[in-house]
Amino acid sequence: QLVVTQSPSASASLGASIKFTCTLSSGHSSFAVAWHQQRPERGPRFLMKVSSDGSHIKGDGIPDRFSGSSSGAERYLTISSLQSDDEADYYCQAWGTGIRVFGGGTKLTVL
Amino acid sequence: EVQLVESGGGLVKPGGSLRLSCAASGYSFRTYSMNWVRQAPGKGPEWVSYISSSSTYTYYADAVKGRFTISRDNAKRSLYLQMSSLRAEDTGVYYCAREAVPGEVDYWGQGTLVTVSS
Repeated sequence: QLVVTQSPSASASLGASIKFTCTLSSGHSSFAVAWHQQRPERGPRFLMKVSSDGSHIKGDGIPDRFSGSSSGAERYLTISSLQSDDEADYYCQAWGTGIRVFGGGTKLTVL
Repeated sequence: EVQLVESGGGLVKPGGSLRLSCAASGYSFRTYSMNWVRQAPGKGPEWVSYISSSSTYTYYADAVKGRFTISRDNAKRSLYLQMSSLRAEDTGVYYCAREAVPGEVDYWGQGTLVTVSS
């Protein structure tokens, strides 16, 4: 069964970097994931797709401060030079034939 | 600019029905697959249903299978979700979402709120 797992919360200081982890379930380590950002009281926004080889393709208008990488069954989203409006929930999303799944999300607090 | 605008949400009693719509603009609607994704209050997104570009394939989450029907009208650039036998646990914001390539959601609407309560 395809499942993606995320830590529920993270925090980092203004100007620092943060790395989010999304872990794919057993047997799905070759799958790509998409990362989405959801600011408070807003709809989600697509950030990027991260493939198993670590390559990533960003959505329209996503700044260079956002990047993606991979290792085994883990897919990462890194944000550098944190700004106050990066404070949001970050969700990873995976897919297979006939199914799309979302992780529980990581809530980022910018200190 | 890609725009997805949902409508049709509201308050409905348990066991009732509701039809959501999503109007697409700014891109060639007929060439992209679409999804409905919902979000219960305070929770993360939950995928609900998928439809391929020409309606050949439709998929549903187990939680809504047999109660919800996804459809689209490419001439009208519109996506629909017919919801019946609604339950309290169907409450949430419903988003339509475009897929750029199979599985990868790349644009979201602003959502429409569905509340199932007596």
